Amino acid sequence: AQSVTQLGSHVSVSEGALVLLRCNYSSSVPPYLFWYVQYPNQGLQLLLKYTTGATLVKGINGFEAEFKKSETSFHLTKPSAHMSDAAEYFCAVSERSSNTGKLIFGQGTTLQVKP
Amino acid sequence: GAVVSQHPSRVICKSGTSVKIECRSLDFQATTMFWYRQFPKQSLMLMATSNEGSKATYEQGVEKDKFLINHASLTLSTLTVTSAHPEDSSFYICSATGGQRGRDIQYFGAGTRLSVL
Repeated sequence: AQSVTQLGSHVSVSEGALVLLRCNYSSSVPPYLFWYVQYPNQGLQLLLKYTTGATLVKGINGFEAEFKKSETSFHLTKPSAHMSDAAEYFCAVSERSSNTGKLIFGQGTTLQVKP
Repeated sequence: GAVVSQHPSRVICKSGTSVKIECRSLDFQATTMFWYRQFPKQSLMLMATSNEGSKATYEQGVEKDKFLINHASLTLSTLTVTSAHPEDSSFYICSATGGQRGRDIQYFGAGTRLSVL
């Protein structure tokens, strides 16, 4: 069975500071990994994904994440936070070999950006 | 722009009535659609997976007679909350995958806020 753990339900940074949102996963098969962002009362928007190939993945809005198999991690980073980055962030995993495409989501991390 | 449209965005209904939520893929044929439920400040919980032309697969604990899912075409899936009660109040989100956009990524609708009085 797969699972995702996001360390820290709430992260607060100052505008311009580094953003680091942590995600660890558990999977018995090679995973696909995703980060989604959700603004209030909206659906989810894909930030980035890892499927195969390069382990450092660049996404939209300056975000990137690195797949570290040895650490079973897929932490999300951004060098300089912007006020518009304040939102809820979800890490998710799916089975690479699965025909269902089911996603398992982490609990979510609320990012607060202070001026 | 959005590739998945969800309608309505908000609905308020009386207890005992049924509510239908539509999820449409706008520029691709979605072979699979997913329905999620999200409680305030919580993650998304998968309710069911629907494949076009076949019965939906429900997750454990989700009442299939309560949450009717119909995936009648490659661009439309509907979720009907039957005989809604206040405890069904929640944020419902659909997603779609497949077709020209591949199966690797789920594209999400904007969600439907259901309030049952």
